Amino acid sequence: AQSVTQLDSHVSVSEGTPVLLRCNYSSSYSPSLFWYVQHPNKGLQLLLKYTSAATLVKGINGFEAEFKKSETSFHLTKPSAHMSDAAEYFCVVSVRRSNYQLIWGAGTKLIIKP
Amino acid sequence: DAGVIQSPRHEVTEMGQEVTLRCKPISGHDYLFWYRQTMMRGLELLIYFNNNVPIDDSGMPEDRFSAKMPNASFSTLKIQPSEPRDSAVYFCASSLLGTQYFGPGTRLLVL
Repeated sequence: AQSVTQLDSHVSVSEGTPVLLRCNYSSSYSPSLFWYVQHPNKGLQLLLKYTSAATLVKGINGFEAEFKKSETSFHLTKPSAHMSDAAEYFCVVSVRRSNYQLIWGAGTKLIIKP
Repeated sequence: DAGVIQSPRHEVTEMGQEVTLRCKPISGHDYLFWYRQTMMRGLELLIYFNNNVPIDDSGMPEDRFSAKMPNASFSTLKIQPSEPRDSAVYFCASSLLGTQYFGPGTRLLVL
């Protein structure tokens, strides 16, 4: 069975400081992993995805994530936070054997302090 | 590419009325998903299709909800009759090889 755990429901950082959003997954098969972002009252936008190629994945808006199989983690990082990064971030796992259904984490709300 | 298109973007209706939400997936995608998002329950998968065939509708809350995909470029989600507890944002997503792309959503308010 697949599962996703986002370790923090809220993360608060000051503008210009690094961002770290933590995600651990569990999967019996080789997973595909995604981060989606949802700004207030907006839709879900794909930030980045890992599909068994390079373990360090670069996404949009300066975000990146590293797939660490030994730690079953897929943490999202950004070197310097911007006010426009304030949003909710979802870590998601997908397995081909499950018809590509997405298993969603509970979400992490990122708060940016001026 | 225009991405996933949903209509209407906003819908306000009265309890008991029929509501139809529409979705046009990205051309060439073979999976289509319908989700519902509320503050209380987060994002819930309602139903998904593969090559226009419904695969799993176990997330559909009750018989008042139905979904169709008559062809590869169009799907509908219908609620009849609607109830206030159906108020939510409904998202459609399409995918090819596992990466889902979401539409902007339909914000439904049932009074």
